[in-house]
Amino acid sequence: AQTVTQSQPEMSVQEAETVTLSCTYDTSESNYYLFWYKQPPSRQMILVIRQEAYKQQNATENRFSVNFQKAAKSFSLKISDSQLGDTAMYFCAFMKQTSRGGSEKLVFGKGTKLTVNP
Amino acid sequence: DAGVIQSPRHEVTEMGQEVTLRCKPISGHNSLFWYRQTMMRGLELLIYFNNNVPIDDSGMPEDRFSAKMPNASFSTLKIQPSEPRDSAVYFCASSFVGAAEAFFGQGTRLTVV
Repeated sequence: AQTVTQSQPEMSVQEAETVTLSCTYDTSESNYYLFWYKQPPSRQMILVIRQEAYKQQNATENRFSVNFQKAAKSFSLKISDSQLGDTAMYFCAFMKQTSRGGSEKLVFGKGTKLTVNP
Repeated sequence: DAGVIQSPRHEVTEMGQEVTLRCKPISGHNSLFWYRQTMMRGLELLIYFNNNVPIDDSGMPEDRFSAKMPNASFSTLKIQPSEPRDSAVYFCASSFVGAAEAFFGQGTRLTVV
C-alpha cells in the first residue's frame, strides 16, 4: 500500500516571499503520478500541479514548482511570490499508473495549512 | 462545462435516518470517485467506479454505506442508518478512464446529530 506523509501541519509566509511545502511518499510502484491539491476555505479541491514519475524534469506552473527526488521519494512544492489568495490547505497526493487503462484512486497526505500574511 | 455537481451542499440529519448524497460527473468522464474528509482521518477513498462498474470499495466503512452508479451521468452514496461519526465532508470526483487528473465537486458537508 502507498502512503503519503506531510510533516508540516502548518506554515506561514509573508506576502511576496517564497515557501516550500514538504511531502514524502512510500511505494513499490515504478510508474505513478504525484500531485499537489489546494483546498481554500471554500473547500473546493483544486489541482495545483502534477508530476509524472517517469519524467526527470520538475513540473512548473507559473509561481508553483516542484522538486521531485524519485530515489528519495520526496516531492516538495515551492510557491514563489506568495499571494494572499494562496492561503489554503495543501495536499500532496499519489496515484498509481495502471497499465490496464483504468483510472486509479488518489492517496492523500494529511495536508499542510498555509497562511500568507500581508 | 459545469464541472462535477454534488447535492446537497449541506445536510443535517438525525441519527438513524437515511442519507443520500448525489453526484453528477463531468460529461464524458467515465471514472467516478467518492472520498470522505474528516479532521481525524483526512481525505480517504470510499469507492470508485470505472465505466459504471465498482472497482474498489475497500474504503467503504461498513454495511451501512452503499454506492451506486446506474448510468454514466449519476451516482449516489447512501448511508442507512446514519451515525454521528459519519459527520464529514463527502467529495465526488470524476476523470477520463486512464487520465491522471481528477476533477472534484464542491463536496457535501454532512452533519449527523
